[in-house]
Amino acid sequence: EVQLVESGGGLVQPGGSLRLSCAASGFTFSAYWMHWVRQEPGKGLVWVSRVSADGSTTTYADSVQGRFTISRDNANNTVFLQMNSLRAEDTAVYNCAREVTGIGRSLDYWGQGTLVTVSS
Amino acid sequence: DIQMTQSPSSLSASIGDRVTITCRASQSISTFLSWYQEKPGQAPKLLIFAASSLQTGVPSRFSGSGSGTDFTLTISSLQPEDFATYYCQQSYSVPRTFGQGTNLEIK
Repeated sequence: EVQLVESGGGLVQPGGSLRLSCAASGFTFSAYWMHWVRQEPGKGLVWVSRVSADGSTTTYADSVQGRFTISRDNANNTVFLQMNSLRAEDTAVYNCAREVTGIGRSLDYWGQGTLVTVSS
Repeated sequence: DIQMTQSPSSLSASIGDRVTITCRASQSISTFLSWYQEKPGQAPKLLIFAASSLQTGVPSRFSGSGSGTDFTLTISSLQPEDFATYYCQQSYSVPRTFGQGTNLEIK
């Protein structure tokens, strides 16, 4: 069974940092691109970042470019999101998701998410 | 960036109704369009990929159509478990933008 479990969220002051983790199991992790998507309270889904299967390619939304870094550890089946210079508008539930291989490039499995609150 | 516009933003319907949600892209995305269902407290669930392909395990009352810029998600006969929020997402280019969501409520 495919499982994605996020951790690392919490309360942080503006300007602070957090590192989110997403532990994957039930599939060949090193074969899949992975994504982070966030959802502000009461609002819609917003794509944040993606990393290629081998970790060599990363892409970011403009809103987090230069502040967030996505990475992965294929030996330990984990994808990370290092978040620096956090702002109030980064407050959201952060979900990791797996990208389908083959047609469509959809996100076929998602974790339950971890809540990040940026507040003084 | 490609903008995705869903309509309506909210919808009230009854059990057994046929419901259609539309999604329009600001430029052609071929068939790189997915539909997701989200319920409170749950992870989003993939329903439709490549505009019209049904994800494994998703009931056949869900269907998708369209290509280029205009897409639809249809639920042929609403069931109680279908009341949720639905999102489209383009996977043609990055950033992988989502529509703003359609909240489907019980009438």
